[in-house]
Amino acid sequence: KAGVTQTPRYLIKTRGQQVTLSCSPISGHRSVSWYQQTPGQGLQFLFEYFSETQRNKGNFPGRFSGRQFSNSRSEMNVSTLELGDSALYLCASSASFEKLFFGSGTQLSVL
Amino acid sequence: QQQVKQSPQSLIVQKGGISIINCAYENTAFDYFPWYQQFPGKGPALLIAIRPDVSEKKEGRFTISFNKSAKQFSLHIMDSQPGDSATYFCAAYNQGGKLIFGQGTELSVKP
Repeated sequence: KAGVTQTPRYLIKTRGQQVTLSCSPISGHRSVSWYQQTPGQGLQFLFEYFSETQRNKGNFPGRFSGRQFSNSRSEMNVSTLELGDSALYLCASSASFEKLFFGSGTQLSVL
Repeated sequence: QQQVKQSPQSLIVQKGGISIINCAYENTAFDYFPWYQQFPGKGPALLIAIRPDVSEKKEGRFTISFNKSAKQFSLHIMDSQPGDSATYFCAAYNQGGKLIFGQGTELSVKP
């Protein structure tokens, strides 16, 4: 069974630009969550989608948004990038909350 | 109240020794406590988890101890091996559907 796939693996953007990250969950998993990982803040919950609906949201500004498609694939968008958005963005899929399967992440650098 | 505090930030242990990582929480609504292990360049992976009605859970060399009254839980790694060198995250799940992570502990096991 293929794992969670995140693309791209690395991304370099400049301040003010926007970016879209993609996540393909494990087949059969309907829940997809996104996390931001930074050395100072650890893993912070962004949002969770289940069957194309946002089910939970973390404490991030509205510049961070996401969506889920009918095949459970998910995208995350960050608009008007700031230097502080530089981080590893992790996607996790799950069949239940008890076990999340994480992808290897997208490393975003904002210059 | 949504925080999970983890210590120490980093830990160096000799091969064969015991690694101990501690976490504390405030929100009594948390009802599921997993630990995730993350190797460099990879996403976190579920290691072991416990529910608050159990005081201890053991899986191989990994043990979670849970103190409900103190709102603390810890991970013990017995007979630590260099292959255990990784970053460990404790987490807590609340009924609102969010998995809240601790700050992480970088473990280094010296041969």
